[in-house]
Amino acid sequence: DIVMTQSPLSLTVTPGEPASISCRSSQSLLNSNGFNYLDWYLQKPGQSPQVLIYLGSYRASGVPDRFSGSGSGTDFTLKISRVEAEDVGVYYCMQVLQSPTFGQGTKLEIK
Amino acid sequence: QVQLQQSGPGLVKPSQTLSLTCAISGDSVSSNNAAWNWIRQSPSRGLEWLGRTYYRSKWYNNYAVSVKSRITINPDTSKNQFSLQLNAVTPEDTAVYYCARGDTTKDPYYFDSWGQGTLVTVSS
Repeated sequence: DIVMTQSPLSLTVTPGEPASISCRSSQSLLNSNGFNYLDWYLQKPGQSPQVLIYLGSYRASGVPDRFSGSGSGTDFTLKISRVEAEDVGVYYCMQVLQSPTFGQGTKLEIK
Repeated sequence: QVQLQQSGPGLVKPSQTLSLTCAISGDSVSSNNAAWNWIRQSPSRGLEWLGRTYYRSKWYNNYAVSVKSRITINPDTSKNQFSLQLNAVTPEDTAVYYCARGDTTKDPYYFDSWGQGTLVTVSS
């Protein structure tokens, strides 16, 4: 299995400030088709996860443009340009190059 | 908009079979653009993909190596739903179980709709 490692595991951010979450994979997620097979999810308190970003940098439908994904190979980043109160929850990266595996999650709280 | 409604028991005895069903509205289990997945979440194992079923001229199944010997995912076209069976459960199988739709036009998995989650406890 591909192992996904996130950092930090928790994050406290002031509203309006940026936030950044790192995700590293144990092997490259860059497919021969040029796409990175890495998705990001947010699980809000008491809810099922929801997709934010797919193939490394493509925003899912309805996701605000303050969310962006970047990176390639084994190192990826999710950035929130200006955190809002509704962004609280646990963020997960997930590789989809092989049978999916998830990172351990990063909990975002508001200061 | 696709909605997934899960049903099934919340308590299963050790060594018995865990069975859950996911009813689909807004899409077809036979869709050529979707796959139908089961995922679980526990404090000890985090989020864990278990397997999926999908139709591409015939039915296919993929299962996680960790549960491959114990799992069956079946579609039910007459009721537009799919099911999970996990045999020989132990307390380690205690988790919240989710069904999820994968939009395979986006990437191989892309879980864009999720069920509400079912907490299944394995205990005598």
